[in-house]
Amino acid sequence: AQSVTQLDSQVPVFEEAPVELRCNYSSSVSVYLFWYVQYPNQGLQLLLKYLSGSTLVKGINGFEAEFNKSQTSFHLRKPSVHISDTAEYFCAVRANTGGFKTIFGAGTRLFVKA
Amino acid sequence: DADVTQTPRNRITKTGKRIMLECSQTKGHDRMYWYRQDPGLGLRLIYYSFDVKDINKGEISDGYSVSRQAQAKFSLSLESAIPNQTALYFCATRRTRGDTGELFFGEGSRLTVL
Repeated sequence: AQSVTQLDSQVPVFEEAPVELRCNYSSSVSVYLFWYVQYPNQGLQLLLKYLSGSTLVKGINGFEAEFNKSQTSFHLRKPSVHISDTAEYFCAVRANTGGFKTIFGAGTRLFVKA
Repeated sequence: DADVTQTPRNRITKTGKRIMLECSQTKGHDRMYWYRQDPGLGLRLIYYSFDVKDINKGEISDGYSVSRQAQAKFSLSLESAIPNQTALYFCATRRTRGDTGELFFGEGSRLTVL
């Protein structure tokens, strides 16, 4: 079975500052990893994913994440945030073989201040 | 128009009432899911279906039932609603061919049980 821990429930940050949202996972098998974003009153949409290959993954809106197998982490970063990045961010994991279910973390609410 | 449509978007009901949340999709995906979102808990899987004849329980299926009326339609029912089923419910789809693991979400159905 897999599990996901998002280490921060809320992250306040000033506009144009860098941000890192932390995610750790647990799994006995190899996994695929995802970050989704949920803007207010909307559904979730995919920000980026790691399936295989390069451990540095680039996504939409200037976000990137790095897969670290030894530390079982998949932290999300952006070098300079905008007010419009205010949203809730979810890390998710799925087994890469026979993986029928995607397991989500509890979410991190990013609040960008002017 | 949204590819994954949920109705109703908001519903207030009373304890003991039967409620149905509906989901329809135009993406042509075989796999459909119902998740529940609660603050601080992320998304938890209620039921999932790989085709009309294949329905499976998720981690929190007690008190819920589903119906896959067609490839494009997947309904979630609460036979006798209770207050702790107050939550935001999401329908999601996933492709089978060329699967990258990405889930495609509807905009959510907010249910309040008084």
